[in-house]
Amino acid sequence: NAGVTQTPKFQVLKTGQSMTLQCAQDMNHEYMSWYRQDPGMGLRLIHYSVGAGITDQGEVPNGYNVSRSTTEDFPLRLLSAAPSQTSVYFCASSSAGELFFGEGSRLTVL
Amino acid sequence: KQEVTQIPAALSVPEGENLVLNCSFTDSAIYNLQWFRQDPGKGLTSLLLIQSSQREQTSGRLNASLDKSSGRSTLYIAASQPGDSATYLCAPAEMDNYGQNFVFGPGTRLSVLP
Repeated sequence: NAGVTQTPKFQVLKTGQSMTLQCAQDMNHEYMSWYRQDPGMGLRLIHYSVGAGITDQGEVPNGYNVSRSTTEDFPLRLLSAAPSQTSVYFCASSSAGELFFGEGSRLTVL
Repeated sequence: KQEVTQIPAALSVPEGENLVLNCSFTDSAIYNLQWFRQDPGKGLTSLLLIQSSQREQTSGRLNASLDKSSGRSTLYIAASQPGDSATYLCAPAEMDNYGQNFVFGPGTRLSVLP
């Protein structure tokens, strides 16, 4: 079972560049979410989606965009990367309150 | 707003000890609570899920209990091994008309010494 798959695993960007972190799940979960994890800050919710076509902001949404055109995919877009977005990003999906995480994407913005 | 704390923040024990990790949350109206393990540089692996109607859940050497009324959950690890070294996070889940809401504790960093 693939579960939740994130790509890329590592990425280095320059300030101002844009990129998309991909997330796909094969469990037919309606709920998907993106978190960032920073030392001393724990896991913070960026955006989430409760189904195709429905997204909403989490705790730290600024600088990030999301869309949900299919149940399987939930990409996270950085429009103009900033050093403050250097972090480890986790995608997760959920069914009936049980979360499943991807392996993470480590992003460095120079 | 749900707030989650975990005590202790870090723990170092010799191999073979039984240990308890604590998780406290402020809003007792939770749907369930999940315990995760995170190895350095890795993702979060689900260990146990306790439904709000349950008092405890067991998997191998792990036992998690839940007391909703007092806003507490404990993770008990029996006969600890060096391979148990990791950060352990708890996450109570709430359900409302808009969907699911998960709040994570800061984690307990466990080191089991051989």
